[in-house]
Amino acid sequence: KAGVTQTPRYLIKTRGQQVTLSCSPISGHRSVSWYQQTPGQGLQFLFEYFSETQRNKGNFPGRFSGRQFSNSRSEMNVSTLELGDSALYLCASSERPAGSGANVLTFGAGSRLTVL
Amino acid sequence: DQQVKQNSPSLSVQEGRISILNCDYTNSMFDYFLWYKKYPAEGPTFLISISSIKDKNEDGRFTVFLNKSAKHLSLHIVPSQPGDSAVYFCAASASGGGADGLTFGKGTHLIIQP
Repeated sequence: KAGVTQTPRYLIKTRGQQVTLSCSPISGHRSVSWYQQTPGQGLQFLFEYFSETQRNKGNFPGRFSGRQFSNSRSEMNVSTLELGDSALYLCASSERPAGSGANVLTFGAGSRLTVL
Repeated sequence: DQQVKQNSPSLSVQEGRISILNCDYTNSMFDYFLWYKKYPAEGPTFLISISSIKDKNEDGRFTVFLNKSAKHLSLHIVPSQPGDSAVYFCAASASGGGADGLTFGKGTHLIIQP
């Protein structure tokens, strides 16, 4: 099986711009979760989608949004970029909803966003 | 409020010795715990997990111990190898709800010295 694929791997934006990141989950996985990783902060949960519905949302401002398509592929969007949005954005997929018992998330390699 | 804490940002261990990584949690609803390993420029990869109905799970050189009364878990790596040098994240989930997906700690950077 192909793993979780994230595109683009690297991108540079300037303050005020917006960005869209894409995630293709493992075939058959219906749950996609997004995390932000910054130095010293670990992995911060952004949101999770399951069967095209947002199940959970982390403590991030409304500038961060996402969606999931019928083929389970997901996108996340960040509008009005700020310097503090520079981070590694990780996508993870699983067969069942992320919090459902013995369920392992498989991560992609991430999209490294730099905001200048 | 950090629900999963890894209090050691880094840990240095000699090759061949035991590495012990610690993790504490505060949410009593957590009932499934995982460890992930992350190399630079890669996504985290799943290492080992444990359900709250167990107190130990072993997989080769890796053993995870869970102490529910202390809300503490640890990952033991024996013997430590150079390829084990990476950042290790502890994560927890609550099947009955009460948490958003997987909650991660901030990670411990393990350095294996030759």
